[in-house]
Amino acid sequence: SQQGEEDPQALSIQEGENATMNCSYKTSINNLQWYRQNSGRGLVHLILIRSNEREKHSGRLRVTLDTSKKSSSLLITASRAADTASYFCATDKVSGNTPLVFGKGTRLSVIA
Amino acid sequence: NAGVTQTPKFQVLKTGQSMTLQCAQDMNHEYMSWYRQDPGMGLRLIHYSVGAGITDQGEVPNGYNVSRSTTEDFPLRLLSAAPSQTSVYFCASRRPGQGVDGYTFGSGTRLTVV
Repeated sequence: SQQGEEDPQALSIQEGENATMNCSYKTSINNLQWYRQNSGRGLVHLILIRSNEREKHSGRLRVTLDTSKKSSSLLITASRAADTASYFCATDKVSGNTPLVFGKGTRLSVIA
Repeated sequence: NAGVTQTPKFQVLKTGQSMTLQCAQDMNHEYMSWYRQDPGMGLRLIHYSVGAGITDQGEVPNGYNVSRSTTEDFPLRLLSAAPSQTSVYFCASRRPGQGVDGYTFGSGTRLTVV
């Protein structure tokens, strides 16, 4: 069963606005990762945050992690039409040597 | 170009036929996984491998077989295709160790079973 659940399922914003997506998970994790998928393409790794980290930045991306609430958020600032894609969170369990477990994703539409 | 290569990109099968989806990576990654993606379901794990000669089942393994004879290759075999196996299949790989880096994904194989 899915470990992560993204919220909202779909999000539509204007170019230049910020986009926030949330992810909740169920079990203890080693790290949490965010991926982007453009329509009809494979997933691309965006950012990884370890369980002992609370916030991480990469360009226009900001990820937070709250292990007490078992939740994470992905913020994309100053969005562009090219950011239109589906975004997935994925968790690495503490148990080790197991593959990532993905959520169902958030579909982001950025309108120019 | 370094990365994960999946072949074929598209395939149509008749119910009951068998086929092998190929996956190869040239990054010397120990970990490889197969996922299927269906509308509204996200990615679900089929089988995975932590190294040559070692494979294990994921969430939805029924109807699929895998083997890992080399570090580079991780083929997925459909034994007797069923319409329920219509999906997009992704292969992914990464280095061992958690918290090191993310997965590298192939571009996918879109399979239709009629």
